[in-house]
Amino acid sequence: DAKTTQPPSMDCAEGRAANLPCNHSTISGNEYVYWYRQIHSQGPQYIIHGLKNNETNEMASLIITEDRKSSTLILPHATLRDTAVYYCIVRALRGYSTLTFGKGTMLLVSP
Amino acid sequence: EPEVTQTPSHQVTQMGQEVILRCVPISNHLYFYWYRQILGQKVEFLVSFYNNEISEKSEIFDDQFSVERPDGSNFTLKIRSTKLEDSAMYFCASNPGQGLYEQYFGPGTRLTVT
Repeated sequence: DAKTTQPPSMDCAEGRAANLPCNHSTISGNEYVYWYRQIHSQGPQYIIHGLKNNETNEMASLIITEDRKSSTLILPHATLRDTAVYYCIVRALRGYSTLTFGKGTMLLVSP
Repeated sequence: EPEVTQTPSHQVTQMGQEVILRCVPISNHLYFYWYRQILGQKVEFLVSFYNNEISEKSEIFDDQFSVERPDGSNFTLKIRSTKLEDSAMYFCASNPGQGLYEQYFGPGTRLTVT
């Protein structure tokens, strides 16, 4: 699976949009971009994934650049409960394919 | 909403003892996984399981470890002869398969080896 690069930490004010970037310049054509988050030693939580089109669900939006070498996870109205480590993971879509976690981005949402 | 459950939430054991960590994946999911996270470190993949056999395993998953799906609901991780360095959070995960590959994680079992 392709390697990803994320900033180690980011801050965001409560109620504002949080934009978390990820670089995955070696991504191959059959690899998807997945985002998970981990709130203080809890189990990782699936957020969203995409291949090349932008995606939106009830939790977040995912913007993937046209060349697919980078992406941005957007939390439109961050709350204190969104404080967590966010992981950007690139993986091929196979049923048993595993998740390779990096260090992620520690997002701190402040009042 | 269906969830992955894990028991116990915290297990303390002495070095050299055997432990079994238990997981109940989401019903009708087809793929099962174990990951671990040593305190302050990254989440690491241990093993994946499908159709009653191991699909993939990492270098960490050596002969000390084994997995089993003894019935239609439970998925267990056995660690034989535990070592101090086995102390970690152990997470179970499952995914539906059949075109849906998001993995859903349980809350974890904190294993402390003394």
